[in-house]
Amino acid sequence: DGGITQSPKYLFRKEGQNVTLSCEQNLNHDAMYWYRQDPGQGLRLIYYSQIVNDFQKGDIAEGYSVSREKKESFPLTVTSAQKNPTAFYLCASSRKGTGGYQETQYFGPGTRLLVL
Amino acid sequence: ELKVEQNPLFLSMQEGKNYTIYCNYSTTSDRLYWYRQDPGKSLESLFVLLSNGAVKQEGRLMASLDTKARLSTLHITAAVHDLSATYFCAVAPFNFGNEKLTFGTGTRLTIIP
Repeated sequence: DGGITQSPKYLFRKEGQNVTLSCEQNLNHDAMYWYRQDPGQGLRLIYYSQIVNDFQKGDIAEGYSVSREKKESFPLTVTSAQKNPTAFYLCASSRKGTGGYQETQYFGPGTRLLVL
Repeated sequence: ELKVEQNPLFLSMQEGKNYTIYCNYSTTSDRLYWYRQDPGKSLESLFVLLSNGAVKQEGRLMASLDTKARLSTLHITAAVHDLSATYFCAVAPFNFGNEKLTFGTGTRLTIIP
């Protein structure tokens, strides 16, 4: 079955520690995205990538880093510079439609990050 | 900067009733998306609206887009408990190649038996 997987489901971070969230898709989508969702809030874009080896900052990129070495994979690292990382992290992907724009985004199941 | 506002933020309604969720956005766009999120879960795509006057329907949900008014509506007909969820609209800027979506804050819908 095609889809997006994220791991782990829950992640605990100690002060000063970098942690990496995994996102893999087998939908053959070119574009991938990382969002952060705080309780009772909407989604805020952290980073996005429209093609392998290229990515752009979203609205809240500070304290985060990404890589896009493979089409299928878009890992997110939450660095120690991110002082308030507790949130629900969602990865998404999309493909380009016939009109040239990105079609709807498909979301993974998410990773909950908690600070110890 | 593109801003997206939804109202109401919270909606509690009885089964069998009709209601509408509104999504307003601040700058020109011709692409609007609706998503559903169940508590503790990820987002599920509901509708994609790509032009002025677009209307999409799926079961008891119907979405429409008025690009001139910068407004989209999600209408719920004869609500049932299974529709309880948080609904988000998301807007893409009218800038070909810029694929950043801006999400609204969501409408938490509770259907009361």
